Amino acid sequence: AQSVAQPEDQVNVAEGNPLTVKCTYSVSGNPYLFWYVQYPNRGLQFLLKYITGDNLVKGSYGFEAEFNKSQTSFHLKKPSALVSDSALYFCAATLYSGAGSYQLTFGKGTKLSVIP
Amino acid sequence: DAGITQSPRHKVTETGTPVTLRCHQTENHRYMYWYRQDPGHGLRLIHYSYGVKDTDKGEVSDGYSVSRSKTEDFLLTLESATSSQTSVYFCAISVRTSGNNEQFFGPGTRLTVL
Repeated sequence: AQSVAQPEDQVNVAEGNPLTVKCTYSVSGNPYLFWYVQYPNRGLQFLLKYITGDNLVKGSYGFEAEFNKSQTSFHLKKPSALVSDSALYFCAATLYSGAGSYQLTFGKGTKLSVIP
Repeated sequence: DAGITQSPRHKVTETGTPVTLRCHQTENHRYMYWYRQDPGHGLRLIHYSYGVKDTDKGEVSDGYSVSRSKTEDFLLTLESATSSQTSVYFCAISVRTSGNNEQFFGPGTRLTVL
């Protein structure tokens, strides 16, 4: 069965330091992988996605993610964390569900806290 | 929020009562989804729709039904609410049909079942 794992419930990082939020996946075939961010009392916002090609994907707000097929990972990274990056981050992968539709399978989320 | 609204935004109800949540989109997208978000579970798909009157079940569909009589509206109904259905419910749309396209989410409905 397809699954997405985020091994850390919470990540704390000091402002200005690099941050990494980890994600591993178990998907048959070639995966489509996504990162979303959720700020308090808001819906999810799309950050970036991997489809094919370059393993380093750049997204919104200075975030990037590295696709590693051998390790089945898709870690989210940012060179210098901001306090405003504090939020809940979700990794997701798609599964074709028929009738031209795709289902997103989400990880459980990682709470990122950036400490001033 | 990609032209997606959800109503109500907050609701408190009692066990056994019916509840309907509404998702409305303004951009005529074909694909719409209902998720629930619970701590420790991330988001889980309840039902989805791939067109008017075309719906299918997701991972956690028991106790829920949906209807889509118009492109712009996707309704989620809890026929007889239970405390286990206390959650935050999100609607989402897909801009295009291929699996490499991101979904866009509404602001959510917080439902409490007492």
